[in-house]
Amino acid sequence: ILNVEQSPQSLHVQEGDSTNFTCSFPSSNFYALHWYRWETAKSPEALFVMTLNGDEKKKGRISATLNTKEGYSYLYIKGSQPEDSATYLCAFKGAQKLVFGQGTRLTINP
Amino acid sequence: GAGVSQSPSNKVTEKGKDVELRCDPISGHTALYWYRQRLGQGLEFLIYFQGNSAPDKSGLPSDRFSAERTGESVSTLTIQRTQQEDSAVYLCASSPFYGHSYEQYFGPGTRLTVT
Repeated sequence: ILNVEQSPQSLHVQEGDSTNFTCSFPSSNFYALHWYRWETAKSPEALFVMTLNGDEKKKGRISATLNTKEGYSYLYIKGSQPEDSATYLCAFKGAQKLVFGQGTRLTINP
Repeated sequence: GAGVSQSPSNKVTEKGKDVELRCDPISGHTALYWYRQRLGQGLEFLIYFQGNSAPDKSGLPSDRFSAERTGESVSTLTIQRTQQEDSAVYLCASSPFYGHSYEQYFGPGTRLTVT
């Protein structure tokens, strides 16, 4: 069974602070790694799809890095804002189907 | 433009009944996915349609579950003889191209409750 783990499970951050969290996945048969943001009562929204070892992607205050050899990706949020409060999901695509992690629930305290 | 839509948004059904969930993908998107999220669990892949090729059904949990898609249009997920463990949010997503290296665009989901 493929294991995609995200840590921490939940995180409370003060508005304005920067934060990061981790997605760990198998280091073999890597094909792609996805990051999504899922706000309560909304649909999951794609943030990044990363395919190459060493990839770094950025969208506004959010960025992500990828290390396929050691099997992890970091998501960074700079200067957290209340609208960043959401669950952040990663999904690993290897030889089999896309497997999602359980998510990191981020709460920004004003 | 219009995003992915799903209907109904909520469905309550009695155990043993059949249900049909509908997904309208973004126009022109060739790939379509079904997922579910049961309470307290992560997103679980169910099935993947890739144009006219045979769908990837590897995630369907039992033979009570089936899905259809005609061409690159609407898809329906059917659950026969529903059980309480089928209660979940069922999400549909579409993607402009085949393969899993492209962003998926999710619908709002159908919340299914089996009583």
